Amino acid sequence: ELKVEQNPLFLSMQEGKNYTIYCNYSTTSDRLYWYRQDPGKSLESLFVLLSNGAVKQEGRLMASLDTKARLSTLHITAAVHDLSATYFCAVPPDSNYQLIWGAGTKLIIKP
Amino acid sequence: DTGVSQDPRHKITKRGQNVTFRCDPISEHNRLYWYRQTLGQGPEFLTYFQNEAQLEKSRLLSDRFSAERPKGSFSTLEIQRTEQGDSAMYLCASSLGLSNIQYFGAGTRLSVL
Repeated sequence: ELKVEQNPLFLSMQEGKNYTIYCNYSTTSDRLYWYRQDPGKSLESLFVLLSNGAVKQEGRLMASLDTKARLSTLHITAAVHDLSATYFCAVPPDSNYQLIWGAGTKLIIKP
Repeated sequence: DTGVSQDPRHKITKRGQNVTFRCDPISEHNRLYWYRQTLGQGPEFLTYFQNEAQLEKSRLLSDRFSAERPKGSFSTLEIQRTEQGDSAMYLCASSLGLSNIQYFGAGTRLSVL
């Protein structure tokens, strides 16, 4: 059974700092998704990583995927308050379209 | 608005009652998903449709839950004989294509008293 683990689950950081969120998964998968969720809101797609070594960047966020290590990272550069949210990674089991989700990383960025 | 829409946004019901939720996906999307999310957790997969065919259903899903997608357009999720443990946010998503990026609606928050 596929399990997806994120760490940390909670992160409080200062504006301007850099940090990385980690997403590990337990069985083979060739793709991984990152989503953002603001309090009381639904999920917004950030990145889809479709192959080993894939790297995607949007503004201050950069995501990468290592399928051999079964690891994805979401790196935040020079954090700003607007990036405060909960970030989820999600992985499809082999040959499936459903997604198995991590528990989320709640990110608070203080001015 | 061309996004995924869900109705109602909030539902309060008494234990033992039946409830039904509706999801209208993005019009050209052939895949539709239902997830359940509780506070502090990631979404939990419930079921998936490709067009009108229900192709996957979580093994954890009680027989009290049923979903339909007639004609491959909107979908309904029905919960019979609701229990307090059914209280959660029910999310619908739709997707298209190989990348399978799932676009989510705002959700229906169910409270079972």
